[in-house]
Amino acid sequence: TQLLEQSPQFLSIQEGENLTVYCNSSSVFSSLQWYRQEPGEGPVLLVTVVTGGEVKKLKRLTFQFGDARKDSSLHITAAQPGDTGLYLCAGALGVYGGATNKLIFGTGTLLAVQP
Amino acid sequence: ETGVTQSPTHLIKTRGQQVTLRCSSQSGHNTVSWYQQALGQGPQFIFQYYREEENGRGNFPPRFSGLQFPNYSSELNVNALELDDSALYLCASSPDIGSYNSPLHFGNGTRLTVT
Repeated sequence: TQLLEQSPQFLSIQEGENLTVYCNSSSVFSSLQWYRQEPGEGPVLLVTVVTGGEVKKLKRLTFQFGDARKDSSLHITAAQPGDTGLYLCAGALGVYGGATNKLIFGTGTLLAVQP
Repeated sequence: ETGVTQSPTHLIKTRGQQVTLRCSSQSGHNTVSWYQQALGQGPQFIFQYYREEENGRGNFPPRFSGLQFPNYSSELNVNALELDDSALYLCASSPDIGSYNSPLHFGNGTRLTVT
């Protein structure tokens, strides 16, 4: 059972455009992480959000955790070809008060930024 | 600091055979998790090992088994391979099981093809 749904599944945009990727669930997560994965490589952590309503910025990337901790969004401003990759959200469902080591991954959003 | 390394990088097996995949965790990390990523999908949690003991398992049959060694390296064994086992198998290590400040560090995976 896939608990995290991402939309859109695919996105092809021109350099300089803005975009938003959504990650939705009916489950409450103790924390949520966003990863980027490039072909032939493992996912690389971008950010972890923990508190409902939290907003984090990483250069041109803005991440938001929903108030109810069931959903999240990733917004990229002025996308560049180097942003191309598979974006994955992952929710933590663990013991030990919210350990992030057991993650439920979303379905992924494949982003292609054309120069 | 040496990252997570996995071997082999690619593997082709026949249905019914057995396979062992190996993972060396990042220095200082005592927790290893294994994920299966089918083509076009997000990773699915298989199981996690913490200090040589299994600490949680996803929805995978018993023919998926694992080990963690005293140096915290790990193996994933799959018996009676099926065609649907074809996927990228990712290993991830982390320094602490119980904190959201303990992100997962992924290896580049082993691409398993079952024919």
